[in-house]
Amino acid sequence: EPEVTQTPSHQVTQMGQEVILRCVPISNHLYFYWYRQILGQKVEFLVSFYNNEISEKSEIFDDQFSVERPDGSNFTLKIRSTKLEDSAMYFCASSLGQGELFFGSGTQLSVL
Amino acid sequence: GENVEQHPSTLSVQEGDSAVIKCTYSDSASNYFPWYKQELGKRPQLIIDIRSNVGEKKDQRIAVTLNKTAKHFSLHITETQPEDSAVYFCAPEPSHIQGGKLIFGQGTELSVKP
Repeated sequence: EPEVTQTPSHQVTQMGQEVILRCVPISNHLYFYWYRQILGQKVEFLVSFYNNEISEKSEIFDDQFSVERPDGSNFTLKIRSTKLEDSAMYFCASSLGQGELFFGSGTQLSVL
Repeated sequence: GENVEQHPSTLSVQEGDSAVIKCTYSDSASNYFPWYKQELGKRPQLIIDIRSNVGEKKDQRIAVTLNKTAKHFSLHITETQPEDSAVYFCAPEPSHIQGGKLIFGQGTELSVKP
């Protein structure tokens, strides 16, 4: 069964450093998303992406965040200058646009 | 924006009992209503969903009921088993646009005691 894959599974970085989280969505999916989940809390929407541009973004997704689809398979989330409060599990998801989102196994980001 | 609330936040039942989790939402334009299950340290996974033209949907021990007038939908799990223990999230889609985002509720931690 095809699935969304994310790398790395864990990322530790120093405050102020740039990080790039990588995702390979399911191959025939057209819609891509990033969500984050702070430990013990709900899953929060960050951004959706379609046809090589952002469809929608939340208040969390400020100028420090960017997304890119650099080639036909990868979908990345960049945080330019990480803050302590960026520490969370980041989930990538993809869909055919008919409702169900398929989530990757996540990248646990720890900012020290 | 869409306001999504789940109740209860925690639920403890004996194995074999039923569990019901309720989700209320604010956006009357919502037309897709899924429930996701998240086991500890794992990704959220869809367990059942319903669209606005249907009032109830059942899949073995799991069912979802929708009341669009009252803007709430509920997850029903019958004959609960220890492996049902997890956090459950409702995640209504607040728009009609294709590929629209899901907005997650705060989650309900279900514990099924053997």
